[in-house]
Order: sequence, then structure tokens, then C-alpha cells
Amino acid sequence: AQSVTQLGSHVSVSEGALVLLRCNYSSSVPPYLFWYVQYPNQGLQLLLKYTSAATLVKGINGFEAEFKKSETSFHLTKPSAHMSDAAEYFCAVSVFGNEKLTFGTGTRLTIIP
Amino acid sequence: GAVVSQHPSWVICKSGTSVKIECRSLDFQATTMFWYRQFPKQSLMLMATSNEGSKATYEQGVEKDKFLINHASLTLSTLTVTSAHPEDSSFYICSASRRAGYEQYFGPGTRLTVT
Repeated sequence: AQSVTQLGSHVSVSEGALVLLRCNYSSSVPPYLFWYVQYPNQGLQLLLKYTSAATLVKGINGFEAEFKKSETSFHLTKPSAHMSDAAEYFCAVSVFGNEKLTFGTGTRLTIIP
Repeated sequence: GAVVSQHPSWVICKSGTSVKIECRSLDFQATTMFWYRQFPKQSLMLMATSNEGSKATYEQGVEKDKFLINHASLTLSTLTVTSAHPEDSSFYICSASRRAGYEQYFGPGTRLTVT
């Protein structure tokens, strides 16, 4: 079975500062990893995904994440936070041949003006 | 492309009644649809996976007689909460994928409140 752990249920950063949201995974087979964003009372939007190609993955809205097998991590970063980035972010894992997604507990990102 | 809609976006029903939530893939055929439940300030919990034309596969602990799922066509899946109770109040989100192993596209969610 696979799982993800998101460190920090709540992260606050100043507008223009670096955003770093942490995600560590556990999987007995090579994983597929995802970051989703959820705005209040809305569904999930895919930010980016890792599916065993390049380890540095670029997504929408200026976000990127790096797959580090040695650290079992897939942290999400953005160089400069924008007010519109305030939302809930979920890391998720699946494995090839099994499309079930297992979600982390989420990190609420607050942007300080 | 890859748009998923849900209807209704919110619903209030009385305890003991049933409510149906629809999930539609608008611009693609979805062989597989998923239903999730999300409690306030919590993560998404997979309830069941449905493949077009076959019975849904429920996750452990999910009552299949209470949460009826039908995936009658390649673009529509429905979740019926039967004999709803206040503890069923939650945010229900569906997702759809073109075929096994492919990306899931999420709907906007349905807020259910049972009074």
C-alpha cells in the first residue's frame, strides 16, 4: 500500500516569498505523484504530476516539484507567492496499473499581504 | 478538454430522505469514475470506484446499500445517498478518467447538508 505525508497543515508566506509545501511518500513500487489545489467549495485542480519521466516537474501557475527517490519526497515550490495562491494543496500518490489515488491530509496555504 | 460537472452543486435535504448526485464527463468518455467524500478541513476519502456497465467497487467501511452508485453510461455516474442522516452531511466530489491508469479529472463537488 502507498501513502503520503504532508508536513504542516498550515503554511503562511508573505506575498512575493518562496512557497515550499512538503510531501513525503511511501510506496513499495515506483510511484506516480500528484499535487492538486483546491479553492473553497470547489473540486480539485491538477497542478502537476510525476510519472517516472523527468524528476523536476513543472506545473501550472508557476509551481514545480522535484521527485527525490533517496528522500522519498515530492515537495512543491513556487519562487514568488501571489495572493491568488491561497488555497488548500493536496499531495497524492498512485501506482502504475492502479489508478486509485491516496491523498495526503492537505496543507492550507495563506498568503500575507 | 476533460471537464467534469456535478449536479447539484449544493443540496439540503431532510433526514430520512434520499438524494441523488450526478457526475458527468462533458467532453470525453469516462470508463471509470470515482466518488470521494471530504469532511470539513480534511482530505478526500475514496468511497467507491465505478466502471461503466458494471457494479461499483466500494472501499472498506463504505455502506454500499446506503451509497448507491450507478455508472450507466460513459459520461454519467450517479451517487444516491439513501435515507440520509445528518452525519452524511459532507462535500462529495467525483472524478473521471478515460481509462484505467489514466489521469483523473475532478468535478467541482456537491455540498450535502442533511437537516
